[in-house]
Amino acid sequence: QVQLQESGPGLVKPSETLSLTCTVSGYSISNAYYWAWIRQPPGKGLEWIGSFYHSVSPFYNPSLKSRVTISADTSKNQFSLSLNSVTAADTAVYYCSRVRANPYGTFDIWGQGTLVTVSS
Amino acid sequence: DIQMTQSPSSLSASVGDRVTITCRASQNIYTFLNWYQQKPGRAPDLLIYSVSNFQSGVPSRFSGSGSGAEFTLTITSLQPEDFATYYCQQSYDSPPAFGQGTKVEIK
Repeated sequence: QVQLQESGPGLVKPSETLSLTCTVSGYSISNAYYWAWIRQPPGKGLEWIGSFYHSVSPFYNPSLKSRVTISADTSKNQFSLSLNSVTAADTAVYYCSRVRANPYGTFDIWGQGTLVTVSS
Repeated sequence: DIQMTQSPSSLSASVGDRVTITCRASQNIYTFLNWYQQKPGRAPDLLIYSVSNFQSGVPSRFSGSGSGAEFTLTITSLQPEDFATYYCQQSYDSPPAFGQGTKVEIK
């Protein structure tokens, strides 16, 4: 059974960098499938942040591209999100997900999500 | 970017009712349309992919239809566990966009 689990600080100061890790169990991230980060501000809808496939440059949402980096550590079967220069608008539940077909495809398995609050 | 618009934004229904949610894309997305269900405090769950294909374990009272730019999610005989927010998502082009959600509440 494939499972994803997000981890990282729940509180980040404005202008600093948000860093999260997704640990995948039950499937190697080096195999087929893309892997993605998606976020959801409190009470609002879902926003795709970006996706990656091993050995291929990541795909990012143009609205966040200048501030986002997605990377992977295949030895730990983890992938990470880094979002710099955060503001209160980046406060959200952050989800990691497996993606079928293409980097913007079908998000078929999700982590439980982790709330990140941007506040001083 | 492709925009996704759902209607209604919310609805009230009773157990046993038939519910239909509409999702419209700002351009032709062929059959690259997925539906998700999200319950409070939980991650979204994939319900239907490519318009009408069930994710494993999804009850047959859910169905999807449409093509091009207009799609529907129908729940026949609404059950207590179906009260949730539903999102459509286009997987035709980057960036993948979600609808704003339709909250199905108990009447």
